[in-house]
Amino acid sequence: GDSVTQMEGPVTLSEEAFLTINCTYTATGYPSLFWYVQYPGEGLQLLLKATKADDKGSNKGFEATYRKETTSFHLEKGSVQVSDSAVYFCALSGGSGGYNKLIFGAGTRLAVHP
Amino acid sequence: SQTIHQWPATLVQPVGSPLSLECTVEGTSNPNLYWYRQAAGRGLQLLFYSVGIGQISSEVPQNLSASRPQDRQFILSSKKLLLSDSGFYLCAWSVRGARGTEAFFGQGTRLTVV
Repeated sequence: GDSVTQMEGPVTLSEEAFLTINCTYTATGYPSLFWYVQYPGEGLQLLLKATKADDKGSNKGFEATYRKETTSFHLEKGSVQVSDSAVYFCALSGGSGGYNKLIFGAGTRLAVHP
Repeated sequence: SQTIHQWPATLVQPVGSPLSLECTVEGTSNPNLYWYRQAAGRGLQLLFYSVGIGQISSEVPQNLSASRPQDRQFILSSKKLLLSDSGFYLCAWSVRGARGTEAFFGQGTRLTVV
């Protein structure tokens, strides 16, 4: 079945450091890919998405490129801030479960220190 | 605009007691509805999803069940709670059958089984 694999956390960075959180997926067909963010004590919210190969999703300085050849959707940010501290989830839909089934990776906790 | 309501926010229940968590969506029709569980150190696990009234897909065999008695209402239940049912439960909705559609999450219910 479909699955999403993320790098294990926690990831600890100093403010203004470069961030990469790896995400790879296994799915049939052409899934859509997402990054969600969960700030402390809150539900999840969409950060960015891409719906076809080579698309780049971007938002709030974060970006990720849909790489079908490597089945990856790595999240990057050039300069993180303390306010970026949160749990980040990679997700997909549109695999074998169709567009109605949305599955997530395990999540990666990011802690940014001043 | 669409909103999702999930309650209660926190719940402490003894082992063996029943459970009922409710989720309702406003401002949309025929949504997909989802229940996820976020257990400590285990990421975000899809429990159930529904594409219509009375249509429930179960992803993980377990002590829980779900029902959708109305188009915009999704209920998570258990007849007898186990300690392992403790966790953070999230309800979500998305537009049915649309490529790349995002999911919108409720604020979650923190369930502690004692």
